[in-house]
Amino acid sequence: DVKVTQSSRYLVKRTGEKVFLECVQDMDHENMFWYRQDPGLGLRLIYFSYDVKMKEKGDIPEGYSVSREKKERFSLILESASTNQTSMYLCASSFEFNQPQHFGDGTRLSIL
Amino acid sequence: EDQVTQSPEALRLQEGESSSLNCSYTVSGLRGLFWYRQDPGKGPEFLFTLYSAGEEKEKERLKATLTKKESFLHITAPKPEDSATYLCAVQAQGGSYIPTFGRGTSLIVHP
Repeated sequence: DVKVTQSSRYLVKRTGEKVFLECVQDMDHENMFWYRQDPGLGLRLIYFSYDVKMKEKGDIPEGYSVSREKKERFSLILESASTNQTSMYLCASSFEFNQPQHFGDGTRLSIL
Repeated sequence: EDQVTQSPEALRLQEGESSSLNCSYTVSGLRGLFWYRQDPGKGPEFLFTLYSAGEEKEKERLKATLTKKESFLHITAPKPEDSATYLCAVQAQGGSYIPTFGRGTSLIVHP
């Protein structure tokens, strides 16, 4: 069965810290995505990757970076965490862009 | 700019009371429309993909339909376990092919 695993369900960090969110998929999917989900705003795309070492900005990339060194792993990096980055972060993958995305269960990140 | 609007934002039903959720979209050309279900504290779970007007897909008490401007998710005789947020996402022809998500409809089914 398809599986996308996010390393942490809950995470609490302090303002200014560098934060790493990890995501691993076991389906040999080409595409991987990072979203944040906030009440009233829905899912917003931060970054996506369509191949190893390839990345593209989504709608809200400011304050974030990503890394994809291996096909199965896609990391989201908050360079200097701020309180407005407190959110639910969702990772997803898909085999091709016209295929449905498979999501992990999310990381609820709180920045204090 | 591609737009996806879901209505209503929230819906409360009694068990057995059938209803429909709406997803209206504005895209230059539709490549595909996806429906997802999201339970609290979980990631979205894929339900259906629709590609062309007139297409329908069914799964248990759920039926998704598609026209040129909107999609409906019909829920027949819902049960409390159907309570969730339902998301639709639209993929346009051309461009990056990244789906645009609506904000979702939160459904609560009371026993």
